[in-house]
Amino acid sequence: QITLKESGPTLLKPTQTLTLTCTFSGFSLTSNGEGVGWIRQPPGQALEWLAVIYWNDDKEYSSSLKTRLTISKDTPKNQVVLTLTNMEPVDTGTYYCAHRGPYNNYAMDVWGQGTTVSVSS
Amino acid sequence: QSILMQPPSVSGAPGQRVTISCTGSSSNIGAGYDVHWFQQLPGTAPKLLIYGNINRPSGVPDRFSASKSGTSASLAITGLQAEDEADYYCQSYDSNLGGSELFGGGTKVTVL
Repeated sequence: QITLKESGPTLLKPTQTLTLTCTFSGFSLTSNGEGVGWIRQPPGQALEWLAVIYWNDDKEYSSSLKTRLTISKDTPKNQVVLTLTNMEPVDTGTYYCAHRGPYNNYAMDVWGQGTTVSVSS
Repeated sequence: QSILMQPPSVSGAPGQRVTISCTGSSSNIGAGYDVHWFQQLPGTAPKLLIYGNINRPSGVPDRFSASKSGTSASLAITGLQAEDEADYYCQSYDSNLGGSELFGGGTKVTVL
């Protein structure tokens, strides 16, 4: 059974850097085809895809946030870390991580519960 | 404004059939990239409903079906139930965005 859980700060000030950790179980990022992605959702708004990292360390980023995002993995710890620099109030929302693998056409098939981040001075 | 366009809302009575469209372009859906659909119940994380354009993960009722044609995709819910009241999102990949994935703007399904 695959599970994922997001963790990180709940409140940040403008210009600070957000660091979120996704801790997962039930799969390994050493296995061919496995990946973990990040998605966020501002309050009352639509989902926004942010980034993904794969077993082979391939990474992809949202074109609109590319300059501010970094995704990395710590394979022995079964963790994926996302950083978003220069946080602004518009970055407030719920941040989710999700598993993706080759079995379901690389769809995001299992999601974490999400973690809420607020940006305010 | 989302690149993948969805109607903001659709509604139907219990037992009815509703459809949600997801309109893209030649750089995403029309280029042959997979479309996935997600259901988000109030206050919860999204759940994968359809993957690879037409496939249901195990556990998803067969009341949910999807199709894809040209630059558009659609999700159908037949035999609408009260528990289907949720937000629904389509998701795909766009080659014009430098290798970026994207979601539609979401559709709120209301069961009357």
